[in-house]
Amino acid sequence: GDSVTQMEGPVTLSEEAFLTINCTYTATGYPSLFWYVQYPGEGLQLLLKATKADDKGSNKGFEATYRKETTSFHLEKGSVQVSDSAVYFCALSAGGGYQKVTFGTGTKLQVIP
Amino acid sequence: GAVVSQHPSRVICKSGTSVKIECRSLDFQATTMFWYRQFPKQSLMLMATSNEGSKATYEQGVEKDKFLINHASLTLSTLTVTSAHPEDSSFYICSARGSGRLQETQYFGPGTRLLVL
Repeated sequence: GDSVTQMEGPVTLSEEAFLTINCTYTATGYPSLFWYVQYPGEGLQLLLKATKADDKGSNKGFEATYRKETTSFHLEKGSVQVSDSAVYFCALSAGGGYQKVTFGTGTKLQVIP
Repeated sequence: GAVVSQHPSRVICKSGTSVKIECRSLDFQATTMFWYRQFPKQSLMLMATSNEGSKATYEQGVEKDKFLINHASLTLSTLTVTSAHPEDSSFYICSARGSGRLQETQYFGPGTRLLVL
């Protein structure tokens, strides 16, 4: 079945550090890939997405590239801020339409001043 | 666009009572809505998928008689936790998928925190 594997957290970085959160997936066909962010006590917000190989999703300084050859969708940001502290979920949806979304286990990011 | 709301945001109830949680798509028609449960420090667990006007499809291990889902319109789905017990305490999150360009992404509500005493 479909699965998403994320690096375990928590990840603690100093403000302005470079962020990478690794994500790899297993799926049949050509899934769409997503990163969601969950701030403390809140629901999930879509951060960015990519729907086909070599697409780059980007938002709020975050970016991730759909790499079919390595089945990866790593999240990166060049300079993190304290306000980026949250839990980040990598996810995939295979086939679009009514297909359900499969989530990774989430990676908690803590940015310290 | 693509905003999903949930009500209530937080609810405390006594063991044995039933609790209803509403999920609304505010600015689009949700052909499909999903209900998730999130345990502390864990990922989301899909409970069920519902399409407007039809019965919900429950994931394996989810009791359909305990977690009643009604998707009566294209903008509203409800989850009723019947005869709640302390082990049902959790963070419940709904999401909605529309049609056309809104089909490939699920838009999530802010979640409802349920505490059963």
